[in-house]
Amino acid sequence: AIRMTQSPSSFSASTGDRVTITCRASQGISSYLAWYQQKPGKAPKLLIYAASTLQSGVPSRFSGSGSGTDFTLTISCLQSEDFATYYCQQYYSYPGTFGQGTKVEIK
Amino acid sequence: EVQLLESGGGLVQPGGSLRLSCAASGFTFSSYAMSWVRQAPGKGLEWVSAISGSGGSTYYADSVKGRFTISRDNSKNTLYLQMNSLRAEDTAVYYCAKSRTITIFGEERYFDLWGRGTLVTVSS
Repeated sequence: AIRMTQSPSSFSASTGDRVTITCRASQGISSYLAWYQQKPGKAPKLLIYAASTLQSGVPSRFSGSGSGTDFTLTISCLQSEDFATYYCQQYYSYPGTFGQGTKVEIK
Repeated sequence: EVQLLESGGGLVQPGGSLRLSCAASGFTFSSYAMSWVRQAPGKGLEWVSAISGSGGSTYYADSVKGRFTISRDNSKNTLYLQMNSLRAEDTAVYYCAKSRTITIFGEERYFDLWGRGTLVTVSS
């Protein structure tokens, strides 16, 4: 199975900060990568698919980039509602493995 | 409203069985592959199983192969997960999730709609 590794596992940031989360695949996955946001007690929510395509309704402060093995999720100006855990997922091959998650906390 | 609603979770003893259901509404259920994804308490997400829109193709994670069976009834807009020989490590919130593709091998296999989840606890 393809292993997905996110970094960092957690960090603290302030409202208005620009933040970047990295996701690395153990082998090439082209652009078959999605990013999800999950808040405590809630289901995950799709933010980005195909590595860089913004899901409908998701604020434009979220962006994704990368291909092959290295990917990033960027939040250009962190808002209070963005404090959550973020997961990457490869869907290049089965099983569709997820990263371990990155928790973004309030500084 | 487009939504997925899981049910059927609960407490079960090791070795026991449970059947989860996921009722879909607001979209043409038979046009999309569906999956089950689980999350152990305080842990990350793990994809469990997928089924094509027609129900003719299925796929399982190695961790549940031979114990879990995914199925769907398109006339009832409902997805199922039959879980047998349950183990403590199966304890998790189970989410049903919709893909954007009808086949389980389609390019758009990411999940654009998730249910709220149902908790399965395996313990004596």
